[in-house]
Amino acid sequence: QLVESGGKLVQPGGSLRLSCAASGFPFSGYWMTWVRQAPGKGLEWVANIQADGRQNFYVDSVRGRFTISRDNAKRSLYLQMNNLRVEDTALYFCARPIVIGVDGGGYLDLWGRGTLVTVSS
Amino acid sequence: DIQMTQSPSTLSASVADRVTITCRASQTINNLLAWYQHKPGKAPKLLIYKASNLESGVPSRFSGSGSGTEFTLTISSLQPDDFATYYCQQYITSGTFGQGTKVEIK
Repeated sequence: QLVESGGKLVQPGGSLRLSCAASGFPFSGYWMTWVRQAPGKGLEWVANIQADGRQNFYVDSVRGRFTISRDNAKRSLYLQMNNLRVEDTALYFCARPIVIGVDGGGYLDLWGRGTLVTVSS
Repeated sequence: DIQMTQSPSTLSASVADRVTITCRASQTINNLLAWYQHKPGKAPKLLIYKASNLESGVPSRFSGSGSGTEFTLTISSLQPDDFATYYCQQYITSGTFGQGTKVEIK
């Protein structure tokens, strides 16, 4: 099971940290992913992190502003979001990929229900 | 970057209809394609991986096919629980999604 938290209303330029609590599977053995869905839009892959946290990958639109991290002892995944923009408004999902590619590309076999981030003044 | 194009964007159908959704990749993806079902307020659900492999627990009325750059998701007999939005995703690199196909009641 994956349960996201931390979403809220924040002003443009602000920061926010999302969390995802994992249970029911060996968290430390899996890559993890953040995916988002803007209002009325489709799904967008945001970031991946390797099982041991050594490698991470980002979509171009968030690289340099967002940081994905994890604490395997706490079975938790995080997304630190800085310099937030109105276009970052979305429902953010954490998900578990079954990884095929070297950059963490994989199909997502376990998802949370999401946490809503609203960026507005 | 690999682009994924789904069609149609909206599909109106009735219970028991056969439904087909198409997904086209901008370059070959070695059949590394997945399909998901998403309902509002719920977690997306994996249906198909590697183009044609049915995820455990998914009803057999769902099937995937295709190769190269063109792929399809077929629902052989649409059920009331199947009205939802469906997404394809390539995962040969990172994980680009198609824009989604909303299956609505006719």
